[in-house]
Amino acid sequence: DAKTTQPTSMDCAEGRAANLPCNHSTISGNEYVYWYRQIHSQGPQYIIHGLKNNETNEMASLIITEDRKSSTLILPHATLRDTAVYYCIVRVAGDGGKLSFGAGTTVTVRA
Amino acid sequence: DAEITQSPRHKITETGRQVTLACHQTWNHNNMFWYRQDLGHGLRLIHYSYGVQDTNKGEVSDGYSVSRSNTEDLPLTLESAASSQTSVYFCASSRAENTEAFFGQGTRLTVV
Repeated sequence: DAKTTQPTSMDCAEGRAANLPCNHSTISGNEYVYWYRQIHSQGPQYIIHGLKNNETNEMASLIITEDRKSSTLILPHATLRDTAVYYCIVRVAGDGGKLSFGAGTTVTVRA
Repeated sequence: DAEITQSPRHKITETGRQVTLACHQTWNHNNMFWYRQDLGHGLRLIHYSYGVQDTNKGEVSDGYSVSRSNTEDLPLTLESAASSQTSVYFCASSRAENTEAFFGQGTRLTVV
């Protein structure tokens, strides 16, 4: 699976949009971009995934650049409950669903 | 509601003992996974299964085993617990390879 690079940490003001970048410059054509988050002491939670088109669901939006070498997860209106570690994971289709977690980005939402 | 549950949530055991961590899901998912997470690190894959009677090794499988006798359960066994296996263990399941994975709440294991 392609390697991902994320900032170690970032702060965000409550009520503002949080934009989380992820670099995956070695991504190949059949690899998806997945985002999960882990709130302190809990199991990871799925957020969103995409292949090449931008995606949106009730939790977030995923913007993938045209060359697919980077992506941005957008939390449109961050709340204190969004404070968590966010993991960007690149996964090849056909691997059975295995996930390879890096260190992620620690996002702190401040009031 | 369907769910995935792990038990126990906390366990303290002694070095050398055999320990089994339970994972049970009610979604009828084919895929099940075990990960471990050490302080300040991301999750690492221990073992996984794509269906009944199927088991596979992950990146940190030494000292662990799993068995899959039915769809709902994937117990993780530490054959002879070591202090290096002190960690938080997460079980997960998914319906198919390109779908989201659902994680349990974790089991905090301490080996003394």
